[in-house]
Amino acid sequence: SQTIHQWPATLVQPVGSPLSLECTVEGTSNPNLYWYRQAAGRGLQLLFYSVGIGQISSEVPQNLSASRPQDRQFILSSKKLLLSDSGFYLCAWGQGLRETQYFGPGTRLLVL
Amino acid sequence: GENVEQHPSTLSVQEGDSAVIKCTYSDSASNYFPWYKQELGKRPQLIIDIRSNVGEKKDQRIAVTLNKTAKHFSLHITETQPEDSAVYFCAGLTGNQFYFGTGTSLTVIP
Repeated sequence: SQTIHQWPATLVQPVGSPLSLECTVEGTSNPNLYWYRQAAGRGLQLLFYSVGIGQISSEVPQNLSASRPQDRQFILSSKKLLLSDSGFYLCAWGQGLRETQYFGPGTRLLVL
Repeated sequence: GENVEQHPSTLSVQEGDSAVIKCTYSDSASNYFPWYKQELGKRPQLIIDIRSNVGEKKDQRIAVTLNKTAKHFSLHITETQPEDSAVYFCAGLTGNQFYFGTGTSLTVIP
């Protein structure tokens, strides 16, 4: 069966520091991968999605970036965090264009 | 792009009553509509979904209906229980992307 991992689970970072969040998927190949951000009490905002290695689509302009160095690895990064980057970051995977998305456990980021 | 609107934003029902959450979408090309349940501090979990070639789908106490003409779909929970309390999100799939509603916070009062 498929499993999706995210780490770290929680992170407290100062403003201006770098960020690296990692997501990996097991039990499937060539998944579509997604990064979402969820602000407290709010809905899900799609940040990036990837349909293959090295292929990244960005949905909103921001100081975040994403990379997919391996088929089942998706990384969310920032060179300098802003206060507004605080939130719950969720990685998700889906198999094919018409398939359900399944979410990872999330990373709770607090920027101070 | 797609725009998914969800109503109501909060909903309180007595245990045993039914709850209905509605979503509308704008892109007629949207063809897949999942519903997720998110408990406090946890990840969204898929609870039911429906594809555009189906009008209704049921799984025990949960059902989803889709009206393609009117571009809306609804989640129905019958015989609600306290453990149904959570935030529920609808979504629509267009191309590669899911567009999520803003969520409904459901409280089931014992």
